[in-house]
Amino acid sequence: NAGVTQTPKFQVLKTGQSMTLQCAQDMNHEYMSWYRQDPGMGLRLIHYSVGAGITDQGEVPNGYNVSRSTTEDFPLRLLSAAPSQTSVYFCASSPRGASEQYFGPGTRLTVT
Amino acid sequence: AQKVTQAQTEISVVEKEDVTLDCVYETRDTTYYLFWYKQPPSGELVFLIRRNSFDEQNEISGRYSWNFQKSTSSFNFTITASQVVDSAVYFCALSEVENTGGFKTIFGAGTRLFVKA
Repeated sequence: NAGVTQTPKFQVLKTGQSMTLQCAQDMNHEYMSWYRQDPGMGLRLIHYSVGAGITDQGEVPNGYNVSRSTTEDFPLRLLSAAPSQTSVYFCASSPRGASEQYFGPGTRLTVT
Repeated sequence: AQKVTQAQTEISVVEKEDVTLDCVYETRDTTYYLFWYKQPPSGELVFLIRRNSFDEQNEISGRYSWNFQKSTSSFNFTITASQVVDSAVYFCALSEVENTGGFKTIFGAGTRLFVKA
């Protein structure tokens, strides 16, 4: 099993550009989440999904969209990138909502 | 609302010292779950332990031990005889049930541990 994969590993965007961060898992997990990690602020939940077709907002959802059309994939869309979205983004999955999460390797995004 | 506080931003110890990482949480629920994760310098996040709100037994795993006290809303993590390889950022996290029936997990800001040889 590949576990949780994220692409790309690194990305530089200009302000106003859009892009999609990809996340996929091959463990048939119901739950998937997106976090951003900023220095001194830990991991903050952006959006999460409890199953295909169901998503909900986390702590910092503004500026991000998600969808969950399949169990395996949970892409994160930035519609109009801003410098404040410069961060490391982690995708995670778990078999159930209260079980441990398996994290992807992260995407380092810089918005100039 | 749920909240996780890790008041220690950075801790520095010398190898073989014991060190305790503090975690204090806030939740409105009686059913919730607490976690610790480790993030070594390589950047990946590694699960260490999960504890549900009904199980206050302390747990020991090798040099690691966890003390869960509901009375003080704390879930502290102790490393005994620390080693250089323990140098990492450690995150405490809390999961509770949302109105939708799903679980939402919130992380603390993390504690960076430096273990010097």
